[in-house]
Amino acid sequence: DAKTTQPTSMDCAEGRAANLPCNHSTISGNEYVYWYRQIHSQGPQYIIHGLKNNETNEMASLIITEDRKSSTLILPHATLRDTAVYYCIASYSGAGSYQLTFGKGTKLSVIP
Amino acid sequence: ETGVTQSPTHLIKTRGQQVTLRCSSQSGHNTVSWYQQALGQGPQFIFQYYREEENGRGNFPPRFSGLQFPNYSSELNVNALELDDSALYLCASSPRPDRGPADTQYFGPGTRLTVL
Repeated sequence: DAKTTQPTSMDCAEGRAANLPCNHSTISGNEYVYWYRQIHSQGPQYIIHGLKNNETNEMASLIITEDRKSSTLILPHATLRDTAVYYCIASYSGAGSYQLTFGKGTKLSVIP
Repeated sequence: ETGVTQSPTHLIKTRGQQVTLRCSSQSGHNTVSWYQQALGQGPQFIFQYYREEENGRGNFPPRFSGLQFPNYSSELNVNALELDDSALYLCASSPRPDRGPADTQYFGPGTRLTVL
């Protein structure tokens, strides 16, 4: 899996959009970008993934740059319940892709 | 709620002892992976079980072992516990051993192990 770099921590005001960046400059063509989050004392929760195109689901949007060297996870209207550690993972899919390689992630604090 | 359950929630052991942690995977999932998460770190992959056999392993010593049962539930066993084994142990289930683009791993709440 390609190495990813994320800021250690970020703050966001409640109700505002939270934009979490991730750098994955060594990502290969068959590696997807996955985002998970971990709320305190719980297991990681899948948020979204993408390969080239921007993606949106009920939780978030994922913006991947054209050169695929970086991406941004967007939580459109952050709430206090979005306070968590967010992990960006670059990983290929297919045979043998059985593990997720987590870094230290970004601790997002949503402020009232 | 992911449907993945783990037991016990918390556990305290002393150095040198052995421990068994348990995981029930989400309905319909035949693959279980185990991760270790030390305080302040991201989860680290220990191993995966598919069809009752180990299907892949991370950088962990042989004293970390596992089992998967016909109903796809799983156990993680750690022998000769060391202080550094203190961590949150996470179980994750998935519908197949290798991951298609849309497949994800669903994590349980974890077991907090403290080694004194």
